[in-house]
Amino acid sequence: DTEVTQTPKHLVMGMTNKKSLKCEQHMGHRAMYWYKQKAKKPPELMFVYSYEKLSINESVPSRFSPECPNSSLLNLHLHALQPEDSALYLCASSPLFSGYGELFFGEGSRLTVL
Amino acid sequence: SQQGEEDPQALSIQEGENATMNCSYKTSINNLQWYRQNSGRGLVHLILIRSNEREKHSGRLRVTLDTSKKSSSLLITASRAADTASYFCATHDTGTASKLTFGTGTRLQVTL
Repeated sequence: DTEVTQTPKHLVMGMTNKKSLKCEQHMGHRAMYWYKQKAKKPPELMFVYSYEKLSINESVPSRFSPECPNSSLLNLHLHALQPEDSALYLCASSPLFSGYGELFFGEGSRLTVL
Repeated sequence: SQQGEEDPQALSIQEGENATMNCSYKTSINNLQWYRQNSGRGLVHLILIRSNEREKHSGRLRVTLDTSKKSSSLLITASRAADTASYFCATHDTGTASKLTFGTGTRLQVTL
């Protein structure tokens, strides 16, 4: 079982809605990530937080707004999304002391934008 | 942006056979990792090989790395139906410690 928990597992939203994806880990990891994965494609990095500070933003549109309220939680706020934003959103964490180490992934939140 | 290209894109074998997947990448790396993903689920880390290593084993998995050719291979021996999944290589480029970039992936189907 994964130790990174993502909620909700499935989300359907309209283009005018505001929703949030949540991610939680209790492994003491200080780096957390959001990846986006379209069907039959590899995951693509969106954001990286290190010690609760945003360290990497891969030129993601502002309709995606990340937030890291504490070392265990990572949110992705969604607003005015487009149908092409429908995808599997994966959260991951890693111990920051091994910045080049493995990532631990959650099961993902499958988002459908109507 | 995508770092690695994997081949084959899809592989179908029978249980008990070996499966080999290849990954090529473009830049200097700190390490290369392999992950597995069951359909529509999260990724699971399989193995990490550092840039100064040439071969690594973990159970039925064998990974090789050739930094001169910028390529890696993953061998799964004595495959089982439960190995059916997508397999991705991923690289940490030197100088971008927090950025793990995934290859295109290989979809493996193991039939009984």
